[in-house]
Amino acid sequence: DAGITQSPRHKVTETGTPVTLRCHQTENHRYMYWYRQDPGHGLRLIHYSYGVKDTDKGEVSDGYSVSRSKTEDFLLTLESATSSQTSVYFCAISEGTGDGPGVAFFGQGTRLTVV
Amino acid sequence: AQRVTQPEKLLSVFKGAPVELKCNYSYSGSPELFWYVQYSRQRLQLLLRHISRESIKGFTADLNKGETSFHLKKPFAQEEDSAMYYCARGSNYQLIWGAGTKLIIKP
Repeated sequence: DAGITQSPRHKVTETGTPVTLRCHQTENHRYMYWYRQDPGHGLRLIHYSYGVKDTDKGEVSDGYSVSRSKTEDFLLTLESATSSQTSVYFCAISEGTGDGPGVAFFGQGTRLTVV
Repeated sequence: AQRVTQPEKLLSVFKGAPVELKCNYSYSGSPELFWYVQYSRQRLQLLLRHISRESIKGFTADLNKGETSFHLKKPFAQEEDSAMYYCARGSNYQLIWGAGTKLIIKP
């Protein structure tokens, strides 16, 4: 497995509280992504990063923010958690090629429950 | 908008039968295409990449630019193939994902 770890693996939090999920890689890959996975929706991109301090929104970015202050870490913050953000969150990394993102390697996922 | 379509949410076949998981993509130049697999409660992992033209776990996928398809095939399904399968294409910095097909192999 590629060197990519997510923390925490499981979290239960209350509505309205901020939550931060961490993705850490040891592969020095340029691109990092946060997805959420929900039944019937597959994978949906929340935010991604194409370099240190370079981030952009995905298709479901409302209510989420990200930061990447160094190559190896990509943080996802739920500013004020809501029940609709209960999901499994996956981080992914890719090295990139001249033609596109290249192969993505995934973390083990974080199961977040907002009560 | 770039799209990847997997028309079947669920596909159920008997062990030993052929399997075909469909994937169609919106046309835009020469796409970078992938199949990923997710076994129960595990992380997603790469199954196939179109440029490698390999056969992994007995699966193959052929890029058909005329039909803009990248269907995944296996001649004889095995019970351990039961999983969620996602088709994806590269687009600038991102991967565009299909909604996934759940494959169930019946004994």
